Amino acid sequence: SQTIHQWPATLVQPVGSPLSLECTVEGTSNPNLYWYRQAAGRGLQLLFYSVGIGQISSEVPQNLSASRPQDRQFILSSKKLLLSDSGFYLCAWSGGGMIDEQFFGPGTRLTVL
Amino acid sequence: AQSVSQHNHHVILSEAASLELGCNYSYGGTVNLFWYVQYPGQHLQLLLKYFSGDPLVKGIKGFEAEFIKSKFSFNLRKPSVQWSDTAEYFCAANNAGNMLTFGGGTRLMVKP
Repeated sequence: SQTIHQWPATLVQPVGSPLSLECTVEGTSNPNLYWYRQAAGRGLQLLFYSVGIGQISSEVPQNLSASRPQDRQFILSSKKLLLSDSGFYLCAWSGGGMIDEQFFGPGTRLTVL
Repeated sequence: AQSVSQHNHHVILSEAASLELGCNYSYGGTVNLFWYVQYPGQHLQLLLKYFSGDPLVKGIKGFEAEFIKSKFSFNLRKPSVQWSDTAEYFCAANNAGNMLTFGGGTRLMVKP
């Protein structure tokens, strides 16, 4: 069966420091991969999605970037964190169709101080 | 731009009460609709989805949702809630070629 992992589970970082959050999927090949940020009362905001290795689409301009170095690995990065980057980050995967269910990871709680 | 609105941010019910959570979307044309749930300490998971056919969709744990095209709505219902239904519920939508758009979520608390 398919599983999705995210790490770390929680992270506290100073302003201006770099960031790397990792997401890996097991049990499927060539998944669509997604990074979301979840904010209280504002639902899930799609940050990046990828339909294949090296293919990244950004939904909103911001201080973050994403990369997909391997088929089942999706990384969210920043060179210099801002206070506003604090939040709960979720990774998800799905099959190739628009009606395919998205499967979510456990999330990473990021606090920037 | 496409949007999804959930009217109630917080709902408190007693066990056995009936539940209806509102969801409206702004997409034109063909639309796919989803309800996701996040139980405390658990991953976000799919409750049910609609993409064609019978507008009344049945999902897991006794939940159902009705797609009403004329009202651009996809409300979630359950006849009798349980304490274990305490969770946050998200409505989402997409159409061809577009990514999912999520509503702001509704926090449901069921009192035993």
